[in-house]
Amino acid sequence: KAGVTQTPRYLIKTRGQQVTLSCSPISGHRSVSWYQQTPGQGLQFLFEYFSETQRNKGNFPGRFSGRQFSNSRSEMNVSTLELGDSALYLCASSPQTASSYNEQFFGPGTRLTVL
Amino acid sequence: AQKVTQAQTEISVVEKEDVTLDCVYETRDTTYYLFWYKQPPSGELVFLIRRNSFDEQNEISGRYSWNFQKSTSSFNFTITASQVVDSAVYFCALGGNTPLVFGKGTRLSVIA
Repeated sequence: KAGVTQTPRYLIKTRGQQVTLSCSPISGHRSVSWYQQTPGQGLQFLFEYFSETQRNKGNFPGRFSGRQFSNSRSEMNVSTLELGDSALYLCASSPQTASSYNEQFFGPGTRLTVL
Repeated sequence: AQKVTQAQTEISVVEKEDVTLDCVYETRDTTYYLFWYKQPPSGELVFLIRRNSFDEQNEISGRYSWNFQKSTSSFNFTITASQVVDSAVYFCALGGNTPLVFGKGTRLSVIA
């Protein structure tokens, strides 16, 4: 079974631009969660989607948004990029909803650098 | 609020030594879940274990063991006879009614 895939793996953007990151979960998994990892703040939950519905959202500004498609693939979008958005963005999938209860399978991440 | 503290930022051991990674959590929930994840240099987190708040039995899986003590709100992780391949960042996390909260991680370096 293929693991969680994330594209692109690396991205360089400039302040003010917007970016879209993509995540394909493990086949059959319907829950996708996104996390931001930075040296200062560590791993922080962004949001979770299950069956195309956002189930939970972390404490991030509205510039961070996401969606999930009918095939469970998910995208997250960050608009008006700031330097502080530079981070590793991790996607995780799970067979069931409530990712905070269940084992999650993580992708390799997208490293975003904002200049 | 949920909180996870991993006081050890970095640990360095010589191969074959035993090492314990500490995790202390805070929650007001009576039902919650504790996790350990490993993050090797490749970046993706790898699930190691999940424990619910009603199951205080210690667990052993090969060289790995976990000690869950509700009385001290701790969920410590021990690697016996460490190997170079164990070098990674290890995260403890707390879940339940609110989204998963991670500790800051402990970077373990195992030196040959």
